This record gives sequence, structure tokens and C-alpha cells, in this order.
Amino acid sequence: SAVISQKPSRDICQRGTSLTIQCQVDSQVTMMFWYRQQPGQSLTLIATANQGSEATYESGFVIDKFPISRPNLTFSTLTVSNMSPEDSSIYLCSISGSPGEKLFFGSGTQLSVL
Amino acid sequence: AQTVTQSQPEMSVQEAETVTLSCTYDTSESDYYLFWYKQPPSRQMILVIRQEAYKQQNATENRFSVNFQKAAKSFSLKISDSQLGDAAMYFCAYRSPRRGGSQGNLIFGKGTKLSVKP
Repeated sequence: SAVISQKPSRDICQRGTSLTIQCQVDSQVTMMFWYRQQPGQSLTLIATANQGSEATYESGFVIDKFPISRPNLTFSTLTVSNMSPEDSSIYLCSISGSPGEKLFFGSGTQLSVL
Repeated sequence: AQTVTQSQPEMSVQEAETVTLSCTYDTSESDYYLFWYKQPPSRQMILVIRQEAYKQQNATENRFSVNFQKAAKSFSLKISDSQLGDAAMYFCAYRSPRRGGSQGNLIFGKGTKLSVKP
């Protein structure tokens, strides 16, 4: 199974600042997904990051707020921009080689915005 | 659009007993994949079990098994001989076999919090 390193594992940030979350995989993968899990809630897809193309954002999420980079098949970043307390959540990256496979998840980033 | 519903926000089971977590889903696709993930307090999402819709046989992984009813669009998880380490949030998830855009991502239910009593 793939090994995913996600960092930071947690951070406390001030309102108005930005945080970049990194996701590094030990093998090349086609699809990388970024999810948000608000307190006590389920996971909601933010965007799909495919190498060599713009990320595909879900309804309610925009590139200006959550810019994503995918420079190669083993790495991606998600930035949470101009943060507000409402952005306090767990952010998780996940990967898959093909649609039928299970998704592997990173260990998540616990973000608290003051 | 596909949806996943978990109607039990919380469940409790006595250690060594059996518990069943419910999940229903809605889709117009005939081929798809269903998953149960476990999320302990560590936040890590751990795959419990996976079912392909084209397979009639219910998936089994040690103490975990599913009751997959395709016509009823039901996918329940049975945990036998429950252990203290089974206490966690359990998420049912749907995955389309299609590619492109955001296809292929997981659609999650709201989760069921399972407590295990010693």
C-alpha cells in the first residue's frame, strides 16, 4: 500500500493568514483528492488535483480560497488562504491509482484559526 | 448525483457482541464501489471493507462483513466479537468507476459513532 506523508499535522493560525499543507506520496499516482472535515462532520471533497492540469473544484470551493498545486505525480499542496475561524477543520489528502481502488488517506492536518 | 445516508448518528455495543451499522445510497449507475472507513480519534482514515457492485457475494474481512442489497441500495456493516479498539467513527462511502474531473472521488455518509462498552 502507498505511504502518504501529510504535513503539518496540526497548526494554529491567525485570522487573515494563509497555510500551505503538503502531501507527499511514495509512488506515482494519477488522482489526488483534497477533503475537508469540519468539526463533528463527514468528509467533503474540496478539489481533485491531476498532474499537468488545473485542479477541479467542487461546488462551494474556489481556487482563490484554496489554491492547489500538483507539480508531479507524487506531490501536491493545498493552501488555505485568508483564513477565518470558519476554516478550522481537518484537511486530508487522499490518493488513488484508478477509480476501482480504495483511497489511501494522509494522516490529516488539524487546523485551528483564532 | 449520488448520495450516501447513514441514519444512525451513534451506536453502542457491548464488548464481544455483534453490531450492525446501516448505510443506504442513491445512484443511477449500475457499476460502482462501496466502502466502509473507520476513523479513530487519531484522525487516520482506515479502510475496513470494500464491495464491488457487480459482485453478488458479500465482502468479508475477519470480524467485519457486509450485507449488500443492490436492489434496495443498502450496504450495512456487521462487526462481530466487538473489541474496544473498534470504537471509532465509521463512514460509508460510494465511488463511481468513471474517470475525469472529480469522478472517482469518494462520497461519504455523515458517519456513525460507535462506542464499545467493556
